[in-house]
Amino acid sequence: EDQVTQSPEALRLQEGESSSLNCSYTVSGLRGLFWYRQDPGKGPEFLFTLYSAGEEKEKERLKATLTKKESFLHITAPKPEDSATYLCAVQDGGSYIPTFGRGTSLIVHP
Amino acid sequence: DTGVSQNPRHKITKRGQNVTFRCDPISEHNRLYWYRQTLGQGPEFLTYFQNEAQLEKSRLLSDRFSAERPKGSFSTLEIQRTEQGDSAMYLCASSRTIQAKNIQYFGAGTRLSVL
Repeated sequence: EDQVTQSPEALRLQEGESSSLNCSYTVSGLRGLFWYRQDPGKGPEFLFTLYSAGEEKEKERLKATLTKKESFLHITAPKPEDSATYLCAVQDGGSYIPTFGRGTSLIVHP
Repeated sequence: DTGVSQNPRHKITKRGQNVTFRCDPISEHNRLYWYRQTLGQGPEFLTYFQNEAQLEKSRLLSDRFSAERPKGSFSTLEIQRTEQGDSAMYLCASSRTIQAKNIQYFGAGTRLSVL
């Protein structure tokens, strides 16, 4: 059974204070690892997908990296508008159904 | 491409009543998924369709839940005899598989409150 563990559960940062969110996973053959952003009361918004160890993707202040056991979402010089819950999900090679973690709630203070 | 659309956005109902939610996927997306999300949790898979065929259902999907996707377009999720434990956000997502890659795009969700 696929498992996804995200840490920390909650993270408070000052504006400009860079940090990283962790997503540890176990899966039998990775089809893809996904990062989503979710604002309160809204559906998850797709950010990145990673497929193989060593792969990296960037978008504005966000950078996602992947190893065989975990993924990191690095946030560089965050702004208050980056405040949201960040969700990680994995799909194994035998399924098109992702397993989601519980998310990391990020608050960036001005 | 207008994104995944879900209606209604909010639904308040009394225990024991039936409710139905609708999801319109991104056009040309052949896969459609339903999830349930409660506070502090990630989305939990309920069921999914490939075109009009319902391929998989979660253990979470009790007999009171039924989903349809007639003609492989929009989908409906019905909950019969609602219980307070059904209160949650119900999310719909759609995807199209390209070269074995399957990225899901979510709607804004339907928030259900059972009184």
